[in-house]
Amino acid sequence: QSVLTQPPSVSAAPGQKVSISCSGSVSDIGDNSVSWYQQVPGTAPKLLIFENNKRPSGISDRFSGSKSGTSATLDISGLQTGDEADYYCGTWSFGLSDIYVFGSGTKVTVL
Amino acid sequence: QVHLQESGPGRVEASETLSLTCTLTGASAGTFHWGWIRQPPGRGLEWVASIDQYGAASYHPSLKSRVTVSADVSKSDNQFTLTLGAVTTADTAMYYCARGVFRGDPYDSWGPGTPVTVSS
Repeated sequence: QSVLTQPPSVSAAPGQKVSISCSGSVSDIGDNSVSWYQQVPGTAPKLLIFENNKRPSGISDRFSGSKSGTSATLDISGLQTGDEADYYCGTWSFGLSDIYVFGSGTKVTVL
Repeated sequence: QVHLQESGPGRVEASETLSLTCTLTGASAGTFHWGWIRQPPGRGLEWVASIDQYGAASYHPSLKSRVTVSADVSKSDNQFTLTLGAVTTADTAMYYCARGVFRGDPYDSWGPGTPVTVSS
């Protein structure tokens, strides 16, 4: 059972924008930065966003992230067919031991 | 640039011990923070364990009694391993190793994954 809650699916037409929410708690998102991963079926996940809103080199600026309190959001603008994939949020939770938690995952469908 | 490659037996019998290896190119185990993440068929990602550049390990609470991650960080070893004991069919998954650079960082480089099937 995932600690971070995401909607199971979102969809939109090409060129439109989708937003994916990620809800956590004070001990995980509330206290740490959020990352987002893209996983095309049959491949390994790829880091898309780190430190809430930063993009690794080579990631399109159509992908943007934000965080507020214990929630985070990934926006994908100018949706393309190649964006069809599963998206996961993730963050660390530091307490008695370090634990990394992933969201439940969101399937993005381009209509 | 660092590359990661997982390797393992592919299939193990229930109740036995699973051992996986992550082989690194372009880095040694003592330079970064590393993790193991798994994904059961048709399901989401689940963090399993991590080990930092000093050899300190962390484990998923539900697996802590059965899992060990290790690396010889003092010998510039280019491998780290995951051992999971008393496996059940619930441990069937694709297993990925990944790099986290430092403690608190996200996983920015991933191996292609190695499938593990636990047969009863």
